Order: sequence, then C-alpha cells, then structure tokens
Amino acid sequence: SQQGEEDPQALSIQEGENATMNCSYKTSINNLQWYRQNSGRGLVHLILIRSNEREKHSGRLRVTLDTSKKSSSLLITASRAADTASYFCATNIQGAQKLVFGQGTRLTINP
Amino acid sequence: DTGVSQDPRHKITKRGQNVTFRCDPISEHNRLYWYRQTLGQGPEFLTYFQNEAQLEKSRLLSDRFSAERPKGSFSTLEIQRTEQGDSAMYLCASSFGPSSGNTIYFGEGSWLTVV
Repeated sequence: SQQGEEDPQALSIQEGENATMNCSYKTSINNLQWYRQNSGRGLVHLILIRSNEREKHSGRLRVTLDTSKKSSSLLITASRAADTASYFCATNIQGAQKLVFGQGTRLTINP
Repeated sequence: DTGVSQDPRHKITKRGQNVTFRCDPISEHNRLYWYRQTLGQGPEFLTYFQNEAQLEKSRLLSDRFSAERPKGSFSTLEIQRTEQGDSAMYLCASSFGPSSGNTIYFGEGSWLTVV
C-alpha cells in the first residue's frame, strides 16, 4: 500500500498564483523528499527535509514537515507555466532503505 | 557529473520476448534502486543494491524479473517472457552514503511497451 497520500490529486491555478500541495504518511520517517515529474520524463529532485527539520526553502519552494501530524506541504510561490508537472512526495521510512511514493499531485499553471 | 543514465529510453517488444534495461548511476554512488511506474501512479519500488549486493526485493519483482549489479557500478534489469502487464516506465535511481538518508537521484526512465 502507498505510504504517502498527496492532496489534492489535481490542481489548476493561474500563473503568478501560489500552489500548495499536501502529503500525509503513516509511519515514522527519516526524511521526506519532494520530486517533480514532467509528462513522460524522469523525476527531478526538488528538496529533502529530515525528520528533525520543520521547514526548508529552495528558491520559490517552501517545504514544511509536521511529524506529529505525519504530514508535509510543498508551496510553490509565484507559479510559472513551466511549473506544470506532477509533484510527488516520497518518504524514507525508518528502518527501510527505499523511498515510498504517493500518487502525486498534477499541477497545471494556466498562462 | 552526468547524472543517472538509462538505456534504452523506449522499448517496444512482443509478448513473450525478453528485454533488458541498463542503468549507469552517478559515479561514486554506492546505492542503486529500480522502480516501476505506470500511467497516473507514483513510482513503485522494485529492488535495491548497495554496491554489488542486492539487499531488498519487492514482491512486485516476480520470478521473471532479475536485476544485477555485477561490479557495483552499472546495473541491468531483465524481464523474461514479457506480459502486457509489464508495460510501464522503469526508473533507476542512485544515492551515496552509508545510510538511506541522502538525496536519491533518478534517471529519465526506460519506457516498455509490450504488444
């Protein structure tokens, strides 16, 4: 079964607006990683947040992690058409050596 | 640094044929992973190597699937007697470190279509 659940499954906004995607998971983690995937392409790593961190920034990206609620959010500010893609959260579960992915959020930025 | 490289990028094969995919991880990365992704779904873990040792295999990896990493560098994923249900993108990823807590980098994937 999937460890992570992204919400919403699909999101459509206007260029320039902010986009927020959420991820919930079930078991204790070492870290959580967010990836972007353009249609038909591989996954591009965006950001890694460790279990002892609460917030990280990278350019227009802001990721938060709440281990008490077992949830994370990815905020993309000032969205651009090029941000149109699927976004996945992936958890590195404690005691495991792999990442477990959710089903992703399909983000569409309308010009 | 050239990133994770996968070959071929696309493969169309007839049902029952064998196919092999190759992955070249980022140099000096000791960990290598294979995932499978179908349309509209997130990637699913198949197997993981640390150096040349295959340390974990998913139940998704049936007897028709075999993966190797003979010298701890590149890896191959072979699917024997392909079935239409094997149609998917096969993703390779790599990372470095004594533990699994570091960034995992993915390749562009190998698309498999079984007709």
